[in-house]
Amino acid sequence: TQLLEQSPQFLSIQEGENLTVYCNSSSVFSSLQWYRQEPGEGPVLLVTVVTGGEVKKLKRLTFQFGDARKDSSLHITAAQPGDTGLYLCAGVRPGNTPLVFGKGTRLSVIA
Amino acid sequence: GAVVSQHPSRVICKSGTSVKIECRSLDFQATTMFWYRQFPKQSLMLMATSNEGSKATYEQGVEKDKFLINHASLTLSTLTVTSAHPEDSSFYICSASVSGTNYGYTFGSGTRLTVV
Repeated sequence: TQLLEQSPQFLSIQEGENLTVYCNSSSVFSSLQWYRQEPGEGPVLLVTVVTGGEVKKLKRLTFQFGDARKDSSLHITAAQPGDTGLYLCAGVRPGNTPLVFGKGTRLSVIA
Repeated sequence: GAVVSQHPSRVICKSGTSVKIECRSLDFQATTMFWYRQFPKQSLMLMATSNEGSKATYEQGVEKDKFLINHASLTLSTLTVTSAHPEDSSFYICSASVSGTNYGYTFGSGTRLTVV
């Protein structure tokens, strides 16, 4: 079974601080996706990283895919209360197969 | 982009009754739909994979007679929770893989089921 270890599971920080969320696996994925989920809603895709070593930026969010395509990180700069939510990493496998989800990181940014 | 419409968003039912949750792909054909269950403050747990026109594949520990999945058309998949009990109360989410596009996977907005 391919597993994705995501850490930390909970994070409470002050507005303006930086943070990094990690996603690690012993298996290689075709690509890796990061989602953000608000309470009572479905996950919304933030980014897909495909190439080993790839770095993608989305405003204050920076996503990295490890060279071996087994791990990824999400870095948020100068966090804001609007960043509060559940962040999920998900591994994509070849074919029409379900995503492999990490356990999620529940982020709370306090004003 | 690819949109999956999930209904209802919230439902409260009495113990012993059945509840049907629908997921429709609005602007694409979803040959495969995935059904997840999510407990409070936890990640998504895959329940089953449904392919249009064939029987669903259930994950270990998921009762197929309790969680009936039907995927009779390329645009509609349904999950019926039969003889619901309070422990079935959860957030249920469907997801479709969108082949041949850059959309990847798209998720429904979820259904909050409360069994009283």
